[in-house]
Amino acid sequence: GAVVSQHPSWVICKSGTSVKIECRSLDFQATTMFWYRQFPKQSLMLMATSNEGSKATYEQGVEKDKFLINHASLTLSTLTVTSAHPEDSSFYICSAQRQRLNTGELFFGEGSRLTVL
Amino acid sequence: KQEVTQIPAALSVPEGENLVLNCSFTDSAIYNLQWFRQDPGKGLTSLLLIQSSQREQTSGRLNASLDKSSGRSTLYIAASQPGDSATYLCAVATGGSYIPTFGRGTSLIVHP
Repeated sequence: GAVVSQHPSWVICKSGTSVKIECRSLDFQATTMFWYRQFPKQSLMLMATSNEGSKATYEQGVEKDKFLINHASLTLSTLTVTSAHPEDSSFYICSAQRQRLNTGELFFGEGSRLTVL
Repeated sequence: KQEVTQIPAALSVPEGENLVLNCSFTDSAIYNLQWFRQDPGKGLTSLLLIQSSQREQTSGRLNASLDKSSGRSTLYIAASQPGDSATYLCAVATGGSYIPTFGRGTSLIVHP
């Protein structure tokens, strides 16, 4: 199956700092990548959809200046949590869809646990 | 707006039982439906993908069915094992969009 790598798997930072999370499709080119946030014992909340070479589309209620998303290539998307605060602590997961494969199948990274002190 | 419901929310069974997990959705104009498994603190692993034109998919001990007209999908797990313990999520992509809507999942515990 297709492999999506997410890094770092966990990060602890001080309040006010910025944290970058990377999502890479290792063995396929991803036209579209999605970023999700998951609270304990809750389902996934879609934050934004990113397409290579264009601006991300953010879901309602998600601050685009807070959560910066860049999709610079067909294999890499990054999520930067700017000026992080304790309420940003969460589990962030990315997923990717293969380019030119019209099944719409999603492949997920392993997730990144962010803890803001 | 598509809404996805998974029942039951939690399930605890002895090893060896055959299980049925349910997923229902409100908008039948779907593109595909995908079942995932999530282990605690981990990402999602794709189990089965059913396209709109298909009625079922099978992989090993897993079988997923799709009935668009009634807005339902079931995930059947045969001869359950302790290693099957995880949260199972159903995601539905509505026609015209690849963006899936997730259910809240079914938390499964299979005890020896």
